[in-house]
Amino acid sequence: SYVLTQPPSVSVAPGQTARITCGGNNIGSKSVHWYQQKPGQAPVLVVYDDSDRPSGIPERFSGSNSGNTATLTISRVEAGDEADYYCQVWDSSSDHQVFGGGTKLTVL
Amino acid sequence: EVQLVESGGGLVQPGRSLRLSCAASGFTFDDYAMHWVRQAPGKGLEWVSGISWNSGSIGYADSVKGRFTISRDNAKNSLYLQMNSLRAEDTALYYCAKEHSGSYEGWFDPWGQGTLVTVSS
Repeated sequence: SYVLTQPPSVSVAPGQTARITCGGNNIGSKSVHWYQQKPGQAPVLVVYDDSDRPSGIPERFSGSNSGNTATLTISRVEAGDEADYYCQVWDSSSDHQVFGGGTKLTVL
Repeated sequence: EVQLVESGGGLVQPGRSLRLSCAASGFTFDDYAMHWVRQAPGKGLEWVSGISWNSGSIGYADSVKGRFTISRDNAKNSLYLQMNSLRAEDTALYYCAKEHSGSYEGWFDPWGQGTLVTVSS
């Protein structure tokens, strides 16, 4: 089955840029979606179809996808961005939705 | 405003059954596919099952296939998950999530708040 690999943790200082990666075999050929989950809350979609933002999500959140790596980029990081982030794709070969293991973003 | 409210969770013994429900409002329910996603305590997200708008396409994670059954009642704006032969490893917070289209191949938005299932003797 298709596997998505994320770093367990990423740390960044306020005002800096955080980059969270999601690795998968030829992931560039798939559409990648990203979710933010704060403690005790349900996940929230922050990027869909590699780089599109739902309404209400700040422009500071952006995404890219090429080759074997998709990336969620958070610019001008704020304390409120501290959360777990998950990538997700549809694997047509198995007819399964697949999530990455999640990355905990810590704002120093 | 789209709302998804899960119910039916609780404490159940291994090998027993439980049925989860998700009441949807604020959108045309029968236009969209729906999903169940779970999260074990302190762990990541795991897709459990998805169902297309008309129940014509259904998918399950390998970990629950043959034990869980997803269904929907478009007249009642409701999604269900029948869970049989429950195991300790099924212990998790179960989320209901709306798809962005009628098929279950896209992204999830929004999510409900979840209902907790604990499998223990």
